[in-house]
Amino acid sequence: RKEVEQDPGPFNVPEGATVAFNCTYSNSASQSFFWYRQDCRKEPKLLMSVYSSGNEDGRFTAQLNRASQYISLLIRDSKLSDSATYLCVAQNYALNFGKGTSLLVTP
Amino acid sequence: SAVISQKPSRDICQRGTSLTIQCQVDSQVTMMFWYRQQPGQSLTLIATANQGSEATYESGFVIDKFPISRPNLTFSTLTVSNMSPEDSSIYLCSARGGGDSGELFFGEGSRLTVL
Repeated sequence: RKEVEQDPGPFNVPEGATVAFNCTYSNSASQSFFWYRQDCRKEPKLLMSVYSSGNEDGRFTAQLNRASQYISLLIRDSKLSDSATYLCVAQNYALNFGKGTSLLVTP
Repeated sequence: SAVISQKPSRDICQRGTSLTIQCQVDSQVTMMFWYRQQPGQSLTLIATANQGSEATYESGFVIDKFPISRPNLTFSTLTVSNMSPEDSSIYLCSARGGGDSGELFFGEGSRLTVL
């Protein structure tokens, strides 16, 4: 079983829509959690960290449920430029990446 | 933040040969890692590059196949030895930023195709 599981999508949404991605992790010892964004043929880049209290960065909201070992990312008012693959990450001593969820925002 | 340069950015190699990928960070970092991303797959950690000592390999990866060097806090190399087509992948060097953020910065990757 992979340490981090995500729905691969693709999620096709119109501009302005709200979309949510979910992720589960298997290692209860994981200490930190992140969402990374990877554009086509590019390296992954940090989108945001995920905290137990939940955190928001503009149109993006991340939530962590340690009891359920579940992480989520909510994107409001989707933009065309949000089209990318979103990688869920759980960290123990190294970062373990999910396969990513592909998002396509259409006009 | 850390800026990571990798080279080569891409290469096409013959089966049975070896290729060394270089990774240079613009600042001293404690932790450096090598990941592999196969087509359509997520990033898989190959090993942690330890400065001045042998790398720590993840399950399924061995030193004979993926020797790693880390002579100082800003530089590391990964060699893919005796390559086969199954080694065709993107190899990514990464480094952990300073402080408690845990943010991992990545190089642009080395796209390897083995014929």
